[in-house]
Amino acid sequence: DTAVSQTPKYLVTQMGNDKSIKCEQNLGHDTMYWYKQDSKKFLKIMFSYNNKELIINETVPNRFSPKSPDKAHLNLHINSLELGDSAVYFCASSPQIGLIYEQYFGPGTRLTVT
Amino acid sequence: AQTVTQSQPEMSVQEAETVTLSCTYDTSENNYYLFWYKQPPSRQMILVIRQEAYKQQNATENRFSVNFQKAAKSFSLKISDSQLGDTAMYFCACYTGTASKLTFGTGTRLQVTL
Repeated sequence: DTAVSQTPKYLVTQMGNDKSIKCEQNLGHDTMYWYKQDSKKFLKIMFSYNNKELIINETVPNRFSPKSPDKAHLNLHINSLELGDSAVYFCASSPQIGLIYEQYFGPGTRLTVT
Repeated sequence: AQTVTQSQPEMSVQEAETVTLSCTYDTSENNYYLFWYKQPPSRQMILVIRQEAYKQQNATENRFSVNFQKAAKSFSLKISDSQLGDTAMYFCACYTGTASKLTFGTGTRLQVTL
């Protein structure tokens, strides 16, 4: 059973398009995250949600809009895609925000903008 | 703000040998966790080992152990009896309850050779 799943795993699209990446966790965790890994492999947090509430927004362009319909899902919608958005996007979850737990990562979504 | 520094972009080790990956961090918090994550070519983020800052004893997981020097803010990873399957990017990360996020280093690419 997959703990944190993301769809799709690969996404190729043209500049200017709008796309979404879905994330689901079946661990019963309260907190979910989105990370971006750039071409140099640097991982940086974008957003975190706790029980459907936005906790962290790390100065991400407002073309990126996370949506959490319930605490098991955190989707990432990206408007007007740009070349610089090409990266691997990871979803992660942890039991509870503010307390120190390891984070469980999804398999990543490789987004390529042409 | 917390920072994590990995000064070795690439390392190589022969199979069955021992290798140490370096990591230094900076945080003003007293309560934090440190992690090493492994990212093989499959790009899945896999937790290797974690260390609670309040514990003096160094964490060990089979062939993986850490040397945690709290005063020096150093957190190195030792891999003993290296195996071909250890070939991966290794990321050091710090989590504090206040920031409620993982801050990653830039990674060390480890190649295990025959």
